[in-house]
Amino acid sequence: EPEVTQTPSHQVTQMGQEVILRCVPISNHLYFYWYRQILGQKVEFLVSFYNNEISEKSEIFDDQFSVERPDGSNFTLKIRSTKLEDSAMYFCASSVGLGLNTEAFFGQGTRLTVV
Amino acid sequence: QQQVKQSPQSLIVQKGGISIINCAYENTAFDYFPWYQQFPGKGPALLIAIRPDVSEKKEGRFTISFNKSAKQFSLHIMDSQPGDSATYFCAASMDFLGGATNKLIFGTGTLLAVQP
Repeated sequence: EPEVTQTPSHQVTQMGQEVILRCVPISNHLYFYWYRQILGQKVEFLVSFYNNEISEKSEIFDDQFSVERPDGSNFTLKIRSTKLEDSAMYFCASSVGLGLNTEAFFGQGTRLTVV
Repeated sequence: QQQVKQSPQSLIVQKGGISIINCAYENTAFDYFPWYQQFPGKGPALLIAIRPDVSEKKEGRFTISFNKSAKQFSLHIMDSQPGDSATYFCAASMDFLGGATNKLIFGTGTLLAVQP
């Protein structure tokens, strides 16, 4: 069964460092998302991406965050200068379309720990 | 208006019992209501979803009941099993025709423990 894969599974970084979280969405999907989940809290939307551009972003997704689809398969989330409060589980998701084809498939996440 | 409120925060059910988790929303533009199941260390996985044109959807032991006028929906797990022990999130999103991008607004989650 096709799945969204994320690497690494766990990333520890020092405050102020840049991190890149990587995702390989399901191959025929066109819409890509990043969500985050702070430990014990709900899953929160960060950004959606379609046709090589951001289609929507949340208040959390400030100038420290960026996304990119550098090639035909990868989808990355970059945090330029990490803060302690960026520590969370980051989930990539993808969907084949919108509307009736809404189902979003999630990867198993990257646990980011900022120390 | 973008919030989805979920209750209870945690739930303990005996094996074979019925688990019921409730969600409420305010934004009438929401038109897709999925439930996600999440096991520790894993990403959320779609369990079952409903659109507001029906009041109930059943898949195996899982049923969504939807009350459009009350802006509420609930997940019922019949004959609950220890393997159902997980965190359950309700969510909502708006159809792209409304200008949205199908981002999911999640509830706060319910930790379900099914005791053998």
